[in-house]
Amino acid sequence: GAGVSQSPRYKVTKRGQDVTLRCDPISSHATLYWYQQALGQGPEFLTYFNYEAQPDKSGLPSDRFSAERPEGSISTLTIQRTEQRDSAMYRCASSRMTGKATQYFGPGTRLLVL
Amino acid sequence: QQQVKQSPQSLIVQKGGISIINCAYENTAFDYFPWYQQFPGKGPALLIAIRPDVSEKKEGRFTISFNKSAKQFSLHIMDSQPGDSATYFCAASDNNTGKLIFGQGTTLQVKP
Repeated sequence: GAGVSQSPRYKVTKRGQDVTLRCDPISSHATLYWYQQALGQGPEFLTYFNYEAQPDKSGLPSDRFSAERPEGSISTLTIQRTEQRDSAMYRCASSRMTGKATQYFGPGTRLLVL
Repeated sequence: QQQVKQSPQSLIVQKGGISIINCAYENTAFDYFPWYQQFPGKGPALLIAIRPDVSEKKEGRFTISFNKSAKQFSLHIMDSQPGDSATYFCAASDNNTGKLIFGQGTTLQVKP
């Protein structure tokens, strides 16, 4: 695609519900990153994929958070049993390869947990 | 643990002036230092980046100065324009994973 896209752009959910966020990376990009960005802060790393492999998920806040990229393209981030502290902007970025390649960010999904 | 510290939090500059944003890092394994520009409602976009083997990189009105011994780097925006008004994030990463560690961000306002 022309750029990284994410859906939905906004998600309001009630505490305790599960949510799934989707990321469509640039089609030729091997590497995909997920970040969480609180209001007024910089993005914080959650996890990344190199094709379908997930070498690092050290940034996931708890075991309620999981991500997958089964075919090495589209990725989903799932938050189970959402809590109010999960409210944030969730950003996806993709790059041509792992390492020093430029990361291109999507517009993000704004999650609000009531 | 905050590994990249950015200052100031906000900055107001007159049109034509120089905007300077500073960052400091802790992890000596970092070897890639990008600056991202973010407009409201948009995702961060790469502005300029530097590697530690050079002390300065210039692209148009934007310059990164890098001090490896002090573990500091800064962004200079020359002849600042109202269109430069945005939030700027410094970041750092290592070569292995590429995961970016971001600073807290600086909101720049350039007054006409």
